[in-house]
Amino acid sequence: DAKTTQPNSMESNEEEPVHLPCNHSTISGTDYIHWYRQLPSQGPEYVIHGLTSNVNNRMASLAIAEDRKSSTLILHRATLRDAAVYYCILIIQGAQKLVFGQGTRLTINP
Amino acid sequence: NAGVMQNPRHLVRRRGQEARLRCSPMKGHSHVYWYRQLPEEGLKFMVYLQKENIIDESGMPKERFSAEFPKEGPSILRIQQVVRGDSAAYFCASSPLAAKNTGELFFGEGSRLTVL
Repeated sequence: DAKTTQPNSMESNEEEPVHLPCNHSTISGTDYIHWYRQLPSQGPEYVIHGLTSNVNNRMASLAIAEDRKSSTLILHRATLRDAAVYYCILIIQGAQKLVFGQGTRLTINP
Repeated sequence: NAGVMQNPRHLVRRRGQEARLRCSPMKGHSHVYWYRQLPEEGLKFMVYLQKENIIDESGMPKERFSAEFPKEGPSILRIQQVVRGDSAAYFCASSPLAAKNTGELFFGEGSRLTVL
């Protein structure tokens, strides 16, 4: 499985933007980049995904580097409810499952 | 449209007993995944099932664990002769298509197993 690398933890302040990085230098051309998050004591929740172009939805934006070797999940205005572990996952063409790494634990300060 | 329903939410078993965890996927979803999360650890894939078929069980322990997804009814994860190391949160996810096609899985809130 193609590997992703994320910082173990990040901290930000409420109502400020948050940029969560992910490196995936071994990504292949047809791998999709997915982001999930897991709030405390809950199951993971889909956030966003993309292939080559930047993507926006109501939860977040995904910025994908031109060479696709890295991506950044952007929370435009963090709230306390955004405190969670954020997982960057590559969906390998033909793969049958999501493989979760350790993710980034995001702390939001009031 | 109800989400993925897991029950029980909490289950306590003594060593040697059996644990049965149930997962009702979202309506219209025929793909079910089970994941295990040990305390303070990440999510580990266990098994992927479609109706009446096990597609990928590469993450299932070789003994004591089994899973099924019958034509009618919920998916069941069964753990026989539980040991303390089985204490974990077990999450079920469902999707209308295989993950390779959409990547979007819908997760339940998990079943937390405690083995005394």
